[in-house]
Amino acid sequence: DTEVTQTPKHLVMGMTNKKSLKCEQHMGHRAMYWYKQKAKKPPELMFVYSYEKLSINESVPSRFSPECPNSSLLNLHLHALQPEDSALYLCASARPGLAGGGTGELFFGEGSRLTVL
Amino acid sequence: GENVEQHPSTLSVQEGDSAVIKCTYSDSASNYFPWYKQELGKRPQLIIDIRSNVGEKKDQRIAVTLNKTAKHFSLHITETQPEDSAVYFCAASRGGGFKTIFGAGTRLFVKA
Repeated sequence: DTEVTQTPKHLVMGMTNKKSLKCEQHMGHRAMYWYKQKAKKPPELMFVYSYEKLSINESVPSRFSPECPNSSLLNLHLHALQPEDSALYLCASARPGLAGGGTGELFFGEGSRLTVL
Repeated sequence: GENVEQHPSTLSVQEGDSAVIKCTYSDSASNYFPWYKQELGKRPQLIIDIRSNVGEKKDQRIAVTLNKTAKHFSLHITETQPEDSAVYFCAASRGGGFKTIFGAGTRLFVKA
């Protein structure tokens, strides 16, 4: 299995809703990432988990809350989002490197397209 | 902070011609330089990468060159085909690869 699977593919939520995005990989990768991608823009790093521990938080607002329950799963909990948070949310994983962060190549999921009304 | 600049933002070529996309990076500790291709509505996928101990790498019609002194790296696609049409992102990362910084992207159109 060389895939990163994300669910749901599409999500529409109101500003008062609570929802979660899920990501799963079974490649034994111990570095997992959340990226946000707006239309016609590059992926923008949000969070990095290394060996199930949060390693990087790129000053993301607290309305986004990541969770890594085990080495195969990564969640992104969403609460009180704003319309400007509408975007494609990409999960990625990488093989563990010497420093634990990944050896390089990012394996992306297909993304969850989020619309906040 | 770290930054990767990418040019051009749009590139239109005739089928069979070559395409060149250029990037510069600011973090001198960067040592891994991947290129991702993203087709419309799809995920980014790695097409080629290069590490800082190598100056050039080739894979069929795709090649990447790296000039560490100038902090430049480039993607070269020869004999372009319509299926090469996509957005291409260069990127740079350092050390264990925790943080991959992407360039702004180049939208490549290959006209048949």
